Amino acid sequence: NAGVMQNPRHLVRRRGQEARLRCSPMKGHSHVYWYRQLPEEGLKFMVYLQKENIIDESGMPKERFSAEFPKEGPSILRIQQVVRGDSAAYFCASSPRGSSTYEQYFGPGTRLTVT
Amino acid sequence: GESVGLHLPTLSVQEGDNSIINCAYSNSASDYFIWYKQESGKGPQFIIDIRSNMDKRQGQRVTVLLNKTVKHLSLQIAATQPGDSAVYFCAENLSGGSNYKLTFGKGTLLTVNP
Repeated sequence: NAGVMQNPRHLVRRRGQEARLRCSPMKGHSHVYWYRQLPEEGLKFMVYLQKENIIDESGMPKERFSAEFPKEGPSILRIQQVVRGDSAAYFCASSPRGSSTYEQYFGPGTRLTVT
Repeated sequence: GESVGLHLPTLSVQEGDNSIINCAYSNSASDYFIWYKQESGKGPQFIIDIRSNMDKRQGQRVTVLLNKTVKHLSLQIAATQPGDSAVYFCAENLSGGSNYKLTFGKGTLLTVNP
């Protein structure tokens, strides 16, 4: 059973460009979470999605950021008109449907650098 | 401010010694706590968890202690090995038992000297 997959692993964008980060959850998992990690800091919750639904986006900036988890395909975190402050590691986690254990399995992350 | 925090940002131990990593939390309503290990360039890896109705839980070479009176959590690693070198995060669930929104502390860097 493959783990959570994220791509690209590294992404470089110039200011003003768009960044698209993809996350494929573990097989059988229908809950996806996105977190952002700044250097030498802990992970900050951004958004929680189930298939075709955003459950909680309270940690995601209202401007320029959006997330989706379509019926088919990976979850996408999209950042429009990136700025230098968006440079960070973005981690995706997934958990099983109806999990009672709260355990979230993390992917390797995408490291976004905005130049 | 942060609900979850760590006492020490770095910890250096000798191989074979026991390690203790501490974590403080401020929300008495938190009911679930997790320790994650993050190696350089990788995502967090689940180590062990504990619910608020427990004081202690043991895994393989690791023990988590929860002191609800002082809102303190610790991770003990027995016979620390070089492969244990990583950043360790404690995280709490603030959603009243719902399955999302983990809140992470800043992390402690554990360095194991051979």
